[in-house]
Amino acid sequence: DVKVTQSSRYLVKRTGEKVFLECVQDMDHENMFWYRQDPGLGLRLIYFSYDVKMKEKGDIPEGYSVSREKKERFSLILESASTNQTSMYLCASSLSRDGYYEQYFGPGTRLTVT
Amino acid sequence: AQSVTQLDSQVPVFEEAPVELRCNYSSSVSVYLFWYVQYPNQGLQLLLKYLSGSTLVKGINGFEAEFNKSQTSFHLRKPSVHISDTAEYFCGLIKAAGNKLTFGGGTRVLVKP
Repeated sequence: DVKVTQSSRYLVKRTGEKVFLECVQDMDHENMFWYRQDPGLGLRLIYFSYDVKMKEKGDIPEGYSVSREKKERFSLILESASTNQTSMYLCASSLSRDGYYEQYFGPGTRLTVT
Repeated sequence: AQSVTQLDSQVPVFEEAPVELRCNYSSSVSVYLFWYVQYPNQGLQLLLKYLSGSTLVKGINGFEAEFNKSQTSFHLRKPSVHISDTAEYFCGLIKAAGNKLTFGGGTRVLVKP
């Protein structure tokens, strides 16, 4: 079974703090993704990576950056957290760049910025 | 740009009744279509996907969906739901040559006894 793990289920941070969300997958997948989930908006893609040290912007990259130094690990960074970044963050991975492969999701990190 | 619209934000349904979740999409190119389910406090998991071929796709847990190109729809159905089907369901698409998944806003299904 593919397993995608995220470092925290719940996180509370203050405005202006630097926040790191970590994601690890154990199936040697090439693609990794970060989404945020908000009620009524579904999931929106923040960034994705199709290889180590490679990244591409998704639909809402503003205020976020990412890092992929190892194939199994993909980090989402909020350089200076703001209250409008309070959300559920979901990480996913898929086998390769081809779009027809299933994405496997982690359980999510619920981030609250106060 | 492509988009996905899920026409119902919430669907209450009684146990053992049928359910249909509606999904319409917009794209100028060929797409792959997906339905994912999110159970409470969990990540998403794939229910089924349409890549090509037969327009009726069967998935896990008794769900099926029908691709209708002329109506640009991909509605999800189950003939008889269980309490355990209470979850949020997301329709999504990827352009055939791409790898970015675009999701609809989600439909919450609440199965009542």
